[in-house]
Amino acid sequence: DTGVSQDPRHKITKRGQNVTFRCDPISEHNRLYWYRQTLGQGPEFLTYFQNEAQLEKSRLLSDRFSAERPKGSFSTLEIQRTEQGDSAMYLCASSLGGLRGHNNEQFFGPGTRLTVL
Amino acid sequence: AQKITQTQPGMFVQEKEAVTLDCTYDTSDQSYGLFWYKQPSSGEMIFLIYQGSYDEQNATEGRYSLNFQKARKSANLVISASQLGDSAMYFCAMREYSGTYKYIFGTGTRLKVLA
Repeated sequence: DTGVSQDPRHKITKRGQNVTFRCDPISEHNRLYWYRQTLGQGPEFLTYFQNEAQLEKSRLLSDRFSAERPKGSFSTLEIQRTEQGDSAMYLCASSLGGLRGHNNEQFFGPGTRLTVL
Repeated sequence: AQKITQTQPGMFVQEKEAVTLDCTYDTSDQSYGLFWYKQPSSGEMIFLIYQGSYDEQNATEGRYSLNFQKARKSANLVISASQLGDSAMYFCAMREYSGTYKYIFGTGTRLKVLA
């Protein structure tokens, strides 16, 4: 399967701990996005990479959040000093940009569900 | 102000009937894209259909069609011949470009198909 994968699928942590999530996009996709989705809401944009460059960060992304995509392939999202309000589904999506990207539709991974106790 | 508005939190449709899910959007850009995604209870977002702002014809993908009314800024999803497996959350999304691409999602509509 060559879809977007995310690891772990579920994470339970105690308040104050750090967590890191990984996203592996579709291999030829140069764009990668992170979203947060809470119950009953649509995905909220967090950050966006084109290749290894982080081009956009939402105001939702506090200083406790950091994301990397060091080689332009997989990406990690780290949350430091987690709070109960961080409990959500964290979705990763990738797309093919430029003329080859056609509609630039995003393909989503299965998400990582974070529960902060 | 909401950029993507989905006014129907929940909808019911009888199996084999058609259903329309509403979506209105707000943008000052001339070039933008509109998407619909399906999210079953398993949680994964599944791309359904795309409409570009310059596309003159309404997009269709199998049983899905997008009723694009640019002047009204609406992009309603029509599902024909509903199936039980269509029961899911449906999200309308818009792609804007302001230096970088941004995707903005609505709050979704939960569709339940009745046997």
